[in-house]
Amino acid sequence: DAMVIQNPRYQVTQFGKPVTLSCSQTLNHNVMYWYQQKSSQAPKLLFHYYDKDFNNEADTPDNFQSRRPNTSFCFLDIRSPGLGDAAMYLCATSRDAQSTDTQYFGPGTRLTVL
Amino acid sequence: SQELEQSPQSLIVQEGKNLTINCTSSKTLYGLYWYKQKYGEGLIFLMMLQKGGEEKSHEKITAKLDEKKQQSSLHITASQPSHAGIYLCGADRGSNYKLTFGKGTLLTVNP
Repeated sequence: DAMVIQNPRYQVTQFGKPVTLSCSQTLNHNVMYWYQQKSSQAPKLLFHYYDKDFNNEADTPDNFQSRRPNTSFCFLDIRSPGLGDAAMYLCATSRDAQSTDTQYFGPGTRLTVL
Repeated sequence: SQELEQSPQSLIVQEGKNLTINCTSSKTLYGLYWYKQKYGEGLIFLMMLQKGGEEKSHEKITAKLDEKKQQSSLHITASQPSHAGIYLCGADRGSNYKLTFGKGTLLTVNP
């Protein structure tokens, strides 16, 4: 089945220790997104890739970076995690970037910062 | 400020009861999405509404978008424990790619 996969499902890191979260998709979608969702809050878009074009949200901290080496994979790098970065990180994909293009989400990676 | 207001924040119903969740915006919505999220998991796509007055159904879940495209409702008929979870509405405000989400409604269905 076509799907969005995130690894790992749970990640524990230490304060200030770089961490990378992974997302892959078998849908062959053009657009990949990374959202941050803190407890009892709405998912917040960090950035997205349209093909190879990177689009950062204005309020995304510089601590968060992303890479998309090919259509299928996208990575979220947190250079120096702080306690406030503990959250669920959700990857999503869509065929295109129009209003009618549904975003399909992966199961998420829950990040704990010690 | 919260751009999409969902109500209620939480809801507890007895199995078999009907329920409605609302999503309201102060601005016109270009695309309104409903997702379901189990605790600690990703979002599962339910339905998308685009046209004013549009209504879609899937199994026991019906979603509607009002004529002014500023309010949507999600109605579950004869609720079951499998309906339990967090229901989130997400809206496109005309920027295409960007979805703004509400905080969600936590639904508990007691057997």
